[in-house]
Amino acid sequence: KAGVTQTPRYLIKTRGQQVTLSCSPISGHRSVSWYQQTPGQGLQFLFEYFSETQRNKGNFPGRFSGRQFSNSRSEMNVSTLELGDSALYLCASSVDSSYNEQFFGPGTRLTVL
Amino acid sequence: GDSVTQMEGPVTLSEEAFLTINCTYTATGYPSLFWYVQYPGEGLQLLLKATKADDKGSNKGFEATYRKETTSFHLEKGSVQVSDSAVYFCALCFINAGNMLTFGGGTRLMVKP
Repeated sequence: KAGVTQTPRYLIKTRGQQVTLSCSPISGHRSVSWYQQTPGQGLQFLFEYFSETQRNKGNFPGRFSGRQFSNSRSEMNVSTLELGDSALYLCASSVDSSYNEQFFGPGTRLTVL
Repeated sequence: GDSVTQMEGPVTLSEEAFLTINCTYTATGYPSLFWYVQYPGEGLQLLLKATKADDKGSNKGFEATYRKETTSFHLEKGSVQVSDSAVYFCALCFINAGNMLTFGGGTRLMVKP
């Protein structure tokens, strides 16, 4: 069974631009969560989507948004990029939204110049 | 708010040494507790979990016991291998909070032959 895939793996943007990251969950998984990992703040929860609906949201500004499609694939978008948005963005999928094991993808490394 | 505190690393051990990585949490209520491991260039993998007080999670020689009285979930392994070199994250999750994980800062383990 294929694991969680994230595209692209690496991305370089400049301040003020916007970016879209993609996550394909494991087949049959309906929940997708996103996390931001930085050296200073560690791993922080961004949001969770289940059946195309946002179920939980972390403490991030409105520049961070996401969505989920009917095939459970998810995208997250960051608008008006800031230097502090440079991070590894991890996606995790799970069978459903009542905690089951989450399977993480390898992440997308975003660098903002 | 809820939080997880881990001992800072790096922790450097010789092969076959005993490992302890401390983890304590602050939470209102009784969360489920997890240890995740991140190998270089990869996403996180669930190592073990415990869902209620006095539960012991174990996997691949690692174990941790959910101690409600000390709000702790320390990770232990009797004999580490070079292949255990990675970053270890302690995390908590509430059953009614979907898949939202709160992570500790991570502890890097380096095992020397």
